Amino acid sequence: AQKITQTQPGMFVQEKEAVTLDCTYDTSDPSYGLFWYKQPSSGEMIFLIYQGSYDQQNATEGRYSLNFQKARKSANLVISASQLGDSAMYFCAMREAGFQKLVFGTGTRLLVSP
Amino acid sequence: EPEVTQTPSHQVTQMGQEVILRCVPISNHLYFYWYRQILGQKVEFLVSFYNNEISEKSEIFDDQFSVERPDGSNFTLKIRSTKLEDSAMYFCASSEGVVDEKLFFGSGTQLSVL
Repeated sequence: AQKITQTQPGMFVQEKEAVTLDCTYDTSDPSYGLFWYKQPSSGEMIFLIYQGSYDQQNATEGRYSLNFQKARKSANLVISASQLGDSAMYFCAMREAGFQKLVFGTGTRLLVSP
Repeated sequence: EPEVTQTPSHQVTQMGQEVILRCVPISNHLYFYWYRQILGQKVEFLVSFYNNEISEKSEIFDDQFSVERPDGSNFTLKIRSTKLEDSAMYFCASSEGVVDEKLFFGSGTQLSVL
């Protein structure tokens, strides 16, 4: 069964610093995709970054990068140079090949302070 | 940038009433989804829809729920007889495909069942 674990309910970071949000996953399927979404206080879900299980390189999208460690089954999100607007809830999610559903973790609330 | 739009943003209903939540997915997308998020909890998959039929559903998506694409642009979620526990944020999402495809989410409809 698919499972996503986010062990950090809350994280604090100072503006301009980098922060890592942890995500571990559990699957027996060799083919899967990992996603990170941001949910600001306004409620919408904003796609940040995607990593496929067969991708050789870690995914990057602007200030976001995904530290993919397949053997450890971890897919941590790294946000560089944090901005006040990064304060939000962050969700890690996974989709196995053959399935259409995304399975989400419980989320990490990030607070960026000036 | 194209976006998924959902209406209404808030819906209040009495227990036992029927509600219809509406979504306009991104126009060239082929896969449509509904997710829900009970306050303070993780995002849960309800159903996916492709080629005018349900392609995958969760155990949450029981006979009280139905989905429809009544025309070429709208995608709806109907709850026949609402219960208190149906109170949640309901997200519509769409994607071009399934493999390696990111989901674009709408801003959500907050459903409150009284």
